[in-house]
Amino acid sequence: AQRVTQPEKLLSVFKGAPVELKCNYSYSGSPELFWYVQYSRQRLQLLLRHISRESIKGFTADLNKGETSFHLKKPFAQEEDSAMYYCALRKGNTDKLIFGTGTRLQVFP
Amino acid sequence: DTEVTQTPKHLVMGMTNKKSLKCEQHMGHRAMYWYKQKAKKPPELMFVYSYEKLSINESVPSRFSPECPNSSLLNLHLHALQPEDSALYLCASSQLQGGSYGYTFGSGTRLTVV
Repeated sequence: AQRVTQPEKLLSVFKGAPVELKCNYSYSGSPELFWYVQYSRQRLQLLLRHISRESIKGFTADLNKGETSFHLKKPFAQEEDSAMYYCALRKGNTDKLIFGTGTRLQVFP
Repeated sequence: DTEVTQTPKHLVMGMTNKKSLKCEQHMGHRAMYWYKQKAKKPPELMFVYSYEKLSINESVPSRFSPECPNSSLLNLHLHALQPEDSALYLCASSQLQGGSYGYTFGSGTRLTVV
């Protein structure tokens, strides 16, 4: 069965420190992977999708099929990055988007 | 217009009430979704509509009844809910069937069943 695992419920760093939010998945087919972010009192919004290989707000994520991972990284965290981050998997050729349990990132000044 | 609009933002209903949640988008998205999110939990898929037809029902109890009157509107009709149904109900839409370009979420309706 397909599953998305985010092992850390909470990740706390100081401003300027590197950040890596872990995401592992299990899926036998070709997955599409996404990172969504939810800032305090704001709606859930798309941050990154692996097929576009883009960098948004300084964040990047690379799909590693060998390790079945899609970790989110940023070299220098900012206080405004504090939010809830969800990794999500879309089963190929379906409309189902499955979310991981989420990691709360706290960036201290 | 690049948003998904959900109304009402808050709803309190009794277990014998009938109410409806509404979702609207004008981005031309042809897939629309209902998710349920409990506190400190990830969103859980309930229903998917593709081209105004119900394509996925994640074994949701019949007290939740979705409806897609047209390509811009999605409703969720509620009847005889239980207190454990209290949650944030999120609507989302996507550009293509399957959502390769990601989903656009509404801000949700916070439902309390008393």
